[in-house]
Amino acid sequence: DAGVIQSPRHEVTEMGQEVTLRCKPISGHDYLFWYRQTMMRGLELLIYFNNNVPIDDSGMPEDRFSAKMPNASFSTLKIQPSEPRDSAVYFCASSTGGGNQPQHFGDGTRLSIL
Amino acid sequence: GESVGLHLPTLSVQEGDNSIINCAYSNSASDYFIWYKQESGKGPQFIIDIRSNMDKRQGQRVTVLLNKTVKHLSLQIAATQPGDSAVYFCAEIAYNFNKFYFGSGTKLNVKP
Repeated sequence: DAGVIQSPRHEVTEMGQEVTLRCKPISGHDYLFWYRQTMMRGLELLIYFNNNVPIDDSGMPEDRFSAKMPNASFSTLKIQPSEPRDSAVYFCASSTGGGNQPQHFGDGTRLSIL
Repeated sequence: GESVGLHLPTLSVQEGDNSIINCAYSNSASDYFIWYKQESGKGPQFIIDIRSNMDKRQGQRVTVLLNKTVKHLSLQIAATQPGDSAVYFCAEIAYNFNKFYFGSGTKLNVKP
């Protein structure tokens, strides 16, 4: 079975550039989560969607970050403009049932902002 | 100023021994708990979960124990193997409040 698919796996870009991370959740999952993982802060929830609608975006660090889910099989996390402190591994996860079913994670996008 | 990274606690065990990884959770409203395993370069992988109406749940070679009185969760791995070497995270979810928290993780190092 296909799991959560993220692209690209690695992204290196210069500060000030726009970065777009992509996620395809597991088919049939109605919850989608975006996380950021760094050595300093561990795994942080940025935003999550239910049925393509953003439910809680309180973890989004600032207005430079935005996330969309135009349909049930695709989501994007965009950073514009990017800064070196945005360097991290970004994970997407999906689940059924939100808070009472396990989240299944993709293998992440390693983002480096120079 | 100087930045400080997370210093993951490390548990070193001999191959074949049992491992116990502990997690203290913070929110008394949390009612669902999950253990994840994360190998280098990969995303967290679901291992086992437990709901707040249970104290213990067993899987294949793994057992999760939940003590709600002291807000403590543990993961026991029987007959630890080199392939178990990874970082292990506990996650707590307060379903009614739509709150999700991940612990900082414990690194398990299995010595052959």
